[in-house]
Amino acid sequence: QVQLVESGGGLVKPGGSLRLSCAASGFTFSDYYMTWIRQAPGKGLELVSYISSSESTIYYADSVKGRFTISRDNSKKSLYLQMNSLRAEDTAVYYCARGLDPRWYVFAYWGQGTLVTVSS
Amino acid sequence: EIMLTQSPGTLSLSPGERATLSCRASQSVSSNYLAWYQQNPGQTPRLVIYGASTRATGIPDRFSGSGSETDFTLTISRLEPEDFAVYYCQQCGDSPMCSFGQGTKLEIK
Repeated sequence: QVQLVESGGGLVKPGGSLRLSCAASGFTFSDYYMTWIRQAPGKGLELVSYISSSESTIYYADSVKGRFTISRDNSKKSLYLQMNSLRAEDTAVYYCARGLDPRWYVFAYWGQGTLVTVSS
Repeated sequence: EIMLTQSPGTLSLSPGERATLSCRASQSVSSNYLAWYQQNPGQTPRLVIYGASTRATGIPDRFSGSGSETDFTLTISRLEPEDFAVYYCQQCGDSPMCSFGQGTKLEIK
């Protein structure tokens, strides 16, 4: 069965950096777009970034463009999100998600999320 | 950028009643790109409906989706206790951008 397990969250000061990871199993990771979605405490969902299977297509929300970098290692079945210049408004649970074949944009599979807290 | 506005913000109903949740888009969205998610407190979002009207695997048939262009609806015909949650609509027709509505909280009256 499809499993997505995020890690790397934690408490970081404003201006700091953090790298999130998402370990995938139960499917052929290299065949799928992968997406990061976040949810600030008590708020709604926001798509942060996605990456195509071959890394030829990458998208960032305006709110993180220039500060976050998405990447993947298909040999390790892992997705990453490098977050730099973190701000208080980046505080959220970050979810790794996979689409419903062939619709990458229908998020049928989600990890349990990892909490990022940006605070001094 | 396509904005999704969900209404009402909170819906108070009793088990057994019918729930109708609305999602309005600021521009026309292809039905192919409209989905609904359910989220219980402290839990991960769960896909309910995609393609505006197709139930996801394991979703009971009391859930149905409808609509087109700018107006979409999620209907729960007879509410069960486990249905009380927050529901989000989502569109990805405005490629490369995808957006979510702000959510409708379905609470027990």
